[in-house]
Order: sequence, then structure tokens, then C-alpha cells
Amino acid sequence: GDQVEQSPSALSLHEGTGSALRCNFTTTMRAVQWFRKNSRGSLINLFYLASGTKENGRLKSAFDSKERYSTLHIRDAQLEDSGTYFCAAYNMGYKLTFGTGTSLLVDP
Amino acid sequence: DAGVTQTPRHEVAEKGQTIILKCEPVSGHNDLFWYRQTKIQGLELLSYFRSKSLMEDGGAFKDRFKAEMLNSSFSTLKIQPTEPKDSAVYLCASSLRDIQDTQYFGPGTRLLVL
Repeated sequence: GDQVEQSPSALSLHEGTGSALRCNFTTTMRAVQWFRKNSRGSLINLFYLASGTKENGRLKSAFDSKERYSTLHIRDAQLEDSGTYFCAAYNMGYKLTFGTGTSLLVDP
Repeated sequence: DAGVTQTPRHEVAEKGQTIILKCEPVSGHNDLFWYRQTKIQGLELLSYFRSKSLMEDGGAFKDRFKAEMLNSSFSTLKIQPTEPKDSAVYLCASSLRDIQDTQYFGPGTRLLVL
């Protein structure tokens, strides 16, 4: 079946630095969504991409359907960015498959 | 097994009306989600229920949007009053036990508010 491989599973950053999360897909996906899990366990949408890149503040995401990957870049990390991030990819129908998540810890 | 069912499939409303969308999740699924989908924003979570308990009330959506889950096999999404910017596809999804499990979506309700 469709699989979404997300890496790294855990990431530790010093405040002010940056890094990237990545999701690889085993099949062609038509779109990807990046979420952050809030304190109540539900997912907050960060980006939705059908192609190309999007930027919002200190976050930037890219999606390449042909190469089967998506990335989420975080720059100038802040303490409040700590949390768990998920990518999720849409197959050609309505099925949304989630990655396994990245646990991000930003320390002073 | 039946998948997620949603009714109606299409709805046209005048600005200011109240509309109610309905959803039946996959039998045996524990979690139910309501999303709004637009071309620009993609999928936005409106409400999330776990075992009929409301876990997420949609933040910015909660003033005119209210989702209820009366029993484990039926949920409604009420929009009151509707506004033209509410025009979108409203999707209901369910998953077996957790929000990061694969979510199975219904066919959606396409809403047009005039």
C-alpha cells in the first residue's frame, strides 16, 4: 500500500538554528499536507501543497510529486516550535496517509 | 464494509441560512473528523471527536460552525449563519483509533453559499 516515510523521528535544535524534515513516498501522491500536533492531540494544518513551495514565517515547505518527496524547513527555531510534526500525503483518491512523525525539541 | 457516507452531496444556500451536513463513519471506527477543503487552503480541520468526545473545536471556525456526535455512528456539522466564504467541500473522515491512523474520507458535501 501507500507508504510515507518521515525522517528524522526526533530532532533537537538550539534556539535560533534551523533544520529540515523530510517525507518520502513509495508511490506518486497528488498532494501533501504538513501538520503540527497540538497539546490536545489534534493536528493543526501548517501547509497544503499540490506542487512547488510555500512559505509562512519561519516555515517553508516543498513538494515534488515526480521525485516523491516533501520537505519542511524550519529556520530561526523558537522554543514554542517544540512539538510533533507530521506529513500526510494524498493518494489519487481521498485517502490520506500519515508519516510517523518528527518529535522536535528546541532548547535555549 | 460500508465506507464513510455523507449527505447531502450538494447543497446550495442563501447567505444567512442554517445548513446541516450529516456523516456516518466507518462502522467500528473510534475517531471522526470534519474538514473543509478548498483549493487554496487544502484540508482544514474543523472538528475532531474521539469516542464521541470533542477533542478539537476548530479554533477560528467555532463561532459559526458546530459539530455534534449524537452516537458513535452519526455526526452532524451545522453552519449558522452561512456566508459566501463558506463555499467549499466539507469532508467527514474516520479512523480506527487515532488521528495519525489512516483516515478514510467520505465523498464530501459541496456547499455553495450565494
